[in-house]
Amino acid sequence: KAGVTQTPRYLIKTRGQQVTLSCSPISGHRSVSWYQQTPGQGLQFLFEYFSETQRNKGNFPGRFSGRQFSNSRSEMNVSTLELGDSALYLCASSPQGIDTEAFFGQGTRLTVV
Amino acid sequence: AQSVTQPDIHITVSEGASLELRCNYSYGATPYLFWYVQSPGQGLQLLLKYFSGDTLVQGIKGFEAEFKRSQSSFNLRKPSVHWSDAAEYFCAAGAYGQNFVFGPGTRLSVLP
Repeated sequence: KAGVTQTPRYLIKTRGQQVTLSCSPISGHRSVSWYQQTPGQGLQFLFEYFSETQRNKGNFPGRFSGRQFSNSRSEMNVSTLELGDSALYLCASSPQGIDTEAFFGQGTRLTVV
Repeated sequence: AQSVTQPDIHITVSEGASLELRCNYSYGATPYLFWYVQSPGQGLQLLLKYFSGDTLVQGIKGFEAEFKRSQSSFNLRKPSVHWSDAAEYFCAAGAYGQNFVFGPGTRLSVLP
């Protein structure tokens, strides 16, 4: 069974640009959640999607958005990038929801210059 | 607000020694509790989880954790540490309809 796949693995963007990250969950999983990991703030929850609906949202500005498709694949978009958005972005999939058990991808390392 | 604390930022143990990583949580009700491990440059791997029932939970790689409701704690233990256990360990808590919260992590170093 394939694991959670995140693409791309590495990304370099310029301030002010926007970026889209992709996450393919484990087959059959309906929940996809996103996290930002930085040395200063640690792991922070961005949002969770379940069956194409946003179920939970963390405390991030509106520049951070996401969506989930009917095949459960999810994308996360960050607009008007700031230097502070440089981070490892992790995606996790779960059969029923992140409050049960989550399987993580290897992440996308975003660097904003 | 929900929170998870891990009092120890960095712990160093000798190979073969026992290990205990501390985790405390603050939540409206008893949440689901998890321990994850992250090796450098990698995603997170679930070690074990507590939903309900037996308060001593067995996980992978020889780890176990004990849930203590009276202390709002969920400490991770291993009787004999291996060099390959060196990594960052995260305690996390979640509940339906609540945000999933991670602790700040504890970095484990293992001396040969």
